[in-house]
Amino acid sequence: GNSVTQMEGPVTLSEEAFLTINCTYTATGYPSLFWYVQYPGEGLQLLLKATKADDKGSNKGFEATYRKETTSFHLEKGSVQVSDSAVYFCALSTGRRALTFGSGTRLQVQP
Amino acid sequence: DAGVIQSPRHEVTEMGQEVTLRCKPISGHNSLFWYRQTMMRGLELLIYFNNNVPIDDSGMPEDRFSAKMPNASFSTLKIQPSEPRDSAVYFCASLGSGRGTDTQYFGPGTRLTVL
Repeated sequence: GNSVTQMEGPVTLSEEAFLTINCTYTATGYPSLFWYVQYPGEGLQLLLKATKADDKGSNKGFEATYRKETTSFHLEKGSVQVSDSAVYFCALSTGRRALTFGSGTRLQVQP
Repeated sequence: DAGVIQSPRHEVTEMGQEVTLRCKPISGHNSLFWYRQTMMRGLELLIYFNNNVPIDDSGMPEDRFSAKMPNASFSTLKIQPSEPRDSAVYFCASLGSGRGTDTQYFGPGTRLTVL
């Protein structure tokens, strides 16, 4: 079956620090990969996605590259801001089926 | 577009009561998903519909849970009777039908507390 493993949090960084949140997956077939973000008290918002190997998804300064050889989709940002504080979820889907989520990583950015 | 709409946003009820959660998907989307979020289990699928037909309900915890989608613009998730362990945030998400469409859009969620 499908599964997603992402690094445990919380991750605490100072403003302007470099961010990496690791995500690896196991899937049958050729999954699409996603990062969703959840701000306190809100629903999930799509941050970025990649649909095939070597694709790079990017949005709001965040990037992630679909690495089939390492089954990974790590999230990176070069300079985080306080407003990036949230919970980040890595997820995959195969076909048009439900998303399989990782456990989420809480990011806290301090001024 | 208004996005996925869920109601109520918050629900507090007592054990044994019936609870009904509602979802309106994005217009034109033909797949609808119900997820539950808890601290212990994270985000997990309860059920999903395609063209108003339930496709996978393997995540529905037990017979106390039921979901319907009577038309393309409305779905309900009902819990009867509710129990304290049902306390969670319930999300609805919808997915479009275009070729290559693979992004699910989430509603704001319903925070359910069962006392």
